[in-house]
Amino acid sequence: DSGVTQTPKHLITATGQRVTLRCSPRSGDLSVYWYQQSLDQGLQFLIHYYNGEERAKGNILERFSAQQFPDLHSELNLSSLELGDSALYFCASTRTSGGLEQFFGPGTRLTVL
Amino acid sequence: GENVEQHPSTLSVQEGDSAVIKCTYSDSASNYFPWYKQELGKGPQLIIDIRSNVGEKKDQRIAVTLNKTAKHFSLHITETQPEDSAVYFCAAIPYGGATNKLIFGTGTLLAVQP
Repeated sequence: DSGVTQTPKHLITATGQRVTLRCSPRSGDLSVYWYQQSLDQGLQFLIHYYNGEERAKGNILERFSAQQFPDLHSELNLSSLELGDSALYFCASTRTSGGLEQFFGPGTRLTVL
Repeated sequence: GENVEQHPSTLSVQEGDSAVIKCTYSDSASNYFPWYKQELGKGPQLIIDIRSNVGEKKDQRIAVTLNKTAKHFSLHITETQPEDSAVYFCAAIPYGGATNKLIFGTGTLLAVQP
């Protein structure tokens, strides 16, 4: 158990809908990374937050957004969902902004029908 | 940008044999190379990592080697056991920038036959 928690574990929704994925980092970790894992794209970096502030964006669609709250949990919001958004979404946390060792949560499996 | 290539995509070994997975990275300035193990239905688990100032690192049955000149790094698992069966990912962190995002290889499905 990495200490990173993610909810929900599974999410099934329809095209055009909006969902929110939640991540709680390890106790004391200030940095949260979001990754998407799909069969065709593999594991890809989406966005990085540190202590409530956005640090970097990867190949994240404009329909996707994220936040990190004062209690350090993070949410990934996906809107106007398309079939191709079906994937596993993972968050990972590190102690500091420059921390190298990233510890992953169990993921949220999103299925868009 | 950084690109990480990984091979083989699948690897089947007999229990007790060794397994080797190889990765190549493109950014010569990258300085951190972790390996993750992902079991079915779970998130990636960090199993070992190496920094660019070290050529080899061992942890019990697993070891990682790094050849900076060739921009290669490899995962070695000795005395494989059925519980080693999983997908293994190598990764690298591109140098510089405001983030330590991981760039992953495409994964290797390791099957250890009892």
